[in-house]
Amino acid sequence: KQEVTQIPAALSVPEGENLVLNCSFTDSAIYNLQWFRQDPGKGLTSLLLIQSSQREQTSGRLNASLDKSSGRSTLYIAASQPGDSATYLCAVRRGGTGANNLFFGTGTRLTVIP
Amino acid sequence: GAGVSQSPSNKVTEKGKDVELRCDPISGHTALYWYRQSLGQGLEFLIYFQGNSAPDKSGLPSDRFSAERTGGSVSTLTIQRTQQEDSAVYLCASSLAGFFEYFGPGTRLTVL
Repeated sequence: KQEVTQIPAALSVPEGENLVLNCSFTDSAIYNLQWFRQDPGKGLTSLLLIQSSQREQTSGRLNASLDKSSGRSTLYIAASQPGDSATYLCAVRRGGTGANNLFFGTGTRLTVIP
Repeated sequence: GAGVSQSPSNKVTEKGKDVELRCDPISGHTALYWYRQSLGQGLEFLIYFQGNSAPDKSGLPSDRFSAERTGGSVSTLTIQRTQQEDSAVYLCASSLAGFFEYFGPGTRLTVL
């Protein structure tokens, strides 16, 4: 069974700092990997999706990388802002037939201090 | 509506009671997922519906859990004889073809 781990569990940084969130997964046979943001009382918002054949994706101040062979992904946030405070979830979608469901990590709770 | 909606947003029930959670997916989305998020744990897949195919129930934790999707649209997750360990946030998601899901805000279930 796919296991997804995120480190650190919580992170607190001053505004303006660059930061990196880490995600690792045990089964490299993935279809794609997504990074989500979760705000209290709200659903998940997809931030970036990386296909298994890709190495990275960028959106604004966010950059996600994928090293499928080593089972790792990172989410880089540049020039952090208080509005970035949220829980960030990494999820991998398995390949092959079946439900194509996502396997989620437990998340990193980010606090950006003004 | 423009997004996935779920009701109720919060549900408090007593141990042993049955509960029903509702999900209204985005119109036209053929795929629908249920996940649950227990305290301190990652989201856990429960069940998947795709069009008229038989649902994938491989994530349901026990036979007390069941779900149906009527007319390829609205879905109901039913938990019978609720237990305290069922307390969690239940999230529904829908997508056009089983990829790139849109998530609802979730139903927070508390079993006393």
